[in-house]
Amino acid sequence: DAKTTQPPSMDCAEGRAANLPCNHSTISGNEYVYWYRQIHSQGPQYIIHGLKNNETNEMASLIITEDRKSSTLILPHATLRDTAVYYCIVKANDYKLSFGAGTTVTVRA
Amino acid sequence: GAVVSQHPSWVICKSGTSVKIECRSLDFQATTMFWYRQFPKQSLMLMATSNEGSKATYEQGVEKDKFLINHASLTLSTLTVTSAHPEDSSFYICSAQGAEQYFGPGTRLTVT
Repeated sequence: DAKTTQPPSMDCAEGRAANLPCNHSTISGNEYVYWYRQIHSQGPQYIIHGLKNNETNEMASLIITEDRKSSTLILPHATLRDTAVYYCIVKANDYKLSFGAGTTVTVRA
Repeated sequence: GAVVSQHPSWVICKSGTSVKIECRSLDFQATTMFWYRQFPKQSLMLMATSNEGSKATYEQGVEKDKFLINHASLTLSTLTVTSAHPEDSSFYICSAQGAEQYFGPGTRLTVT
């Protein structure tokens, strides 16, 4: 599986959009970009995934660059409950999820 | 939808005893389930892949005789930590493969 690079931490203001970057320059053509988050002492929660098109659901938007070497997860209106570790993972279908260090996001009032 | 439960949510056991953790997919069937372990301030590490009706596949460095996995039905997988030692104290998390991979809430194991 391709490796990902995420900033170790970031702060964002409550009510503002949070933009979480992820670099995956070695991504293969059949690998998807997945985002999960883990709130303290809980299991990870699936957020969104995409292959090459931008995706949006009720939780977030995923913007993937045209060359697919990087992506951005957007939380449109961050709340205090969005404070968590966010993991960007690239994997092909039927492959295992491999978690890196992720980005610790702290939403401040 | 896509709810995965774990039981117990936390357990304390004495060194040398065995502990069983259950993982259930509540509203979908899962041919494949996964078991992870997470130490404090670290990321999740995959321990094994559990396939219904067949033997689990363990990741390198994980002792299959110590961490017994049984996936007897499409909604239940169990992890038994045998002869537990204090170094086995950790946060154990399962996941089940549905449309996506969905995670349980985790089980905090403390071995005294």
